[in-house]
Amino acid sequence: GQQLNQSPQSMFIQEGEDVSMNCTSSSIFNTWLWYKQDPGEGPVLLIALYKAGELTSNGRLTAQFGITRKDSFLIISASIPSDVGIYFCAGRDFGNEKLTFGTGTRLTIIP
Amino acid sequence: GAVVSQHPSRVICKSGTSVKIECRSLDFQATTMFWYRQFPKQSLMLMATSNEGSKATYEQGVEKDKFLINHASLTLSTLTVTSAHPEDSSFYICSARRVGQGANQPQHFGDGTRLSIL
Repeated sequence: GQQLNQSPQSMFIQEGEDVSMNCTSSSIFNTWLWYKQDPGEGPVLLIALYKAGELTSNGRLTAQFGITRKDSFLIISASIPSDVGIYFCAGRDFGNEKLTFGTGTRLTIIP
Repeated sequence: GAVVSQHPSRVICKSGTSVKIECRSLDFQATTMFWYRQFPKQSLMLMATSNEGSKATYEQGVEKDKFLINHASLTLSTLTVTSAHPEDSSFYICSARRVGQGANQPQHFGDGTRLSIL
């Protein structure tokens, strides 16, 4: 099936640094979602975006829905150890319940 | 709120065994549930959409006779992997959408079932 391209594939940062990751698609979505997955668990919703150009924050997380509807980015400010995990973007077409997931970004925090 | 529970969390069984995985919405009713498969270090791939009281809709390439889905109530969907083989070993995750919520609302995910076929 179709997948969204996420970059970078993995990141190694120090605690306290800001993190930015991006998700791009060849097709338009009307909803963008960002999830975090810890090892052996299901994804947990972080932020949902419903309008092109929308910028939404949730605590230290900020995400934007690209104007072209083909991309989204997520920023994590002042990273802490519990931010470690895999971050997935997901897109949904208008009128379609199905989600298309990105390839994932694995975040590791160096002590 | 919006808790989705999967059972079992881990299954190890011999090749040829059929395995049933349950997905329950604990504090809400779900018209629609979704089943995903995730191989190691890969993304989630949708297998099928399960609708209460009707047949599931399978994604291209997913064998409906291999992966039987039953959504008999508004709080329970089951996935049965029939005659499982080592290549079926994977992490199976379900999600659910609350009744009354539009299709635009987020899905709530379970914690997944790790299936290992020996």
